[in-house]
Amino acid sequence: AQSVTQLGSHVSVSEGALVLLRCNYSSSVPPYLFWYVQYPNQGLQLLLKYTSAATLVKGINGFEAEFKKSETSFHLTKPSAHMSDAAEYFCAVSDGSGGGADGLTFGKGTHLIIQP
Amino acid sequence: DTGVSQDPRHKITKRGQNVTFRCDPISEHNRLYWYRQTLGQGPEFLTYFQNEAQLEKSRLLSDRFSAERPKGSFSTLEIQRTEQGDSAMYLCASTHTGISGNTIYFGEGSWLTVV
Repeated sequence: AQSVTQLGSHVSVSEGALVLLRCNYSSSVPPYLFWYVQYPNQGLQLLLKYTSAATLVKGINGFEAEFKKSETSFHLTKPSAHMSDAAEYFCAVSDGSGGGADGLTFGKGTHLIIQP
Repeated sequence: DTGVSQDPRHKITKRGQNVTFRCDPISEHNRLYWYRQTLGQGPEFLTYFQNEAQLEKSRLLSDRFSAERPKGSFSTLEIQRTEQGDSAMYLCASTHTGISGNTIYFGEGSWLTVV
């Protein structure tokens, strides 16, 4: 079974400041890891994914995440926050099989607030 | 590639009525998923199809819920005798198995409000 823990249901940063959203996972097999972003009243958009290649993954909109096996973490960062980054962010883990409940498990999400 | 398409985007229905949502996955994606998302929560898996075969259903999927994917392309999710607790966003997603990482692409979701 897999699980994802996102620390902090709400994170507030100033525009231009570093964004750090935390994600820890639990998986019995080498995981695939994803970050999705969700804007109000919309579906989920893939930001980036880790699939056992490079541990530092670059995604869209200037975001990146680093896979740390020893810490079972996959934190999302962005050097400089922009007002348009305000959204809900979900970390998800997959066992790679593509199957149902064990195929993709989501955290509860972190709401990112950008202060002007 | 037009992305995953869902219809309708919003539905308000009275308790006890039936509703049906449609999902058109990305072309040639052989796997299709349904998730449910309530306010303040992450998406929760409901069911998935490999081509036309429904391979797994979550315990969240009560007998009032039924999903089909008759020709292995579009899918429908029907909720019978809706209850207020069914109010949520229903997300459809698709992927093509065999591609590294099995990235799952999501639609915009269908909001259901049961009054």
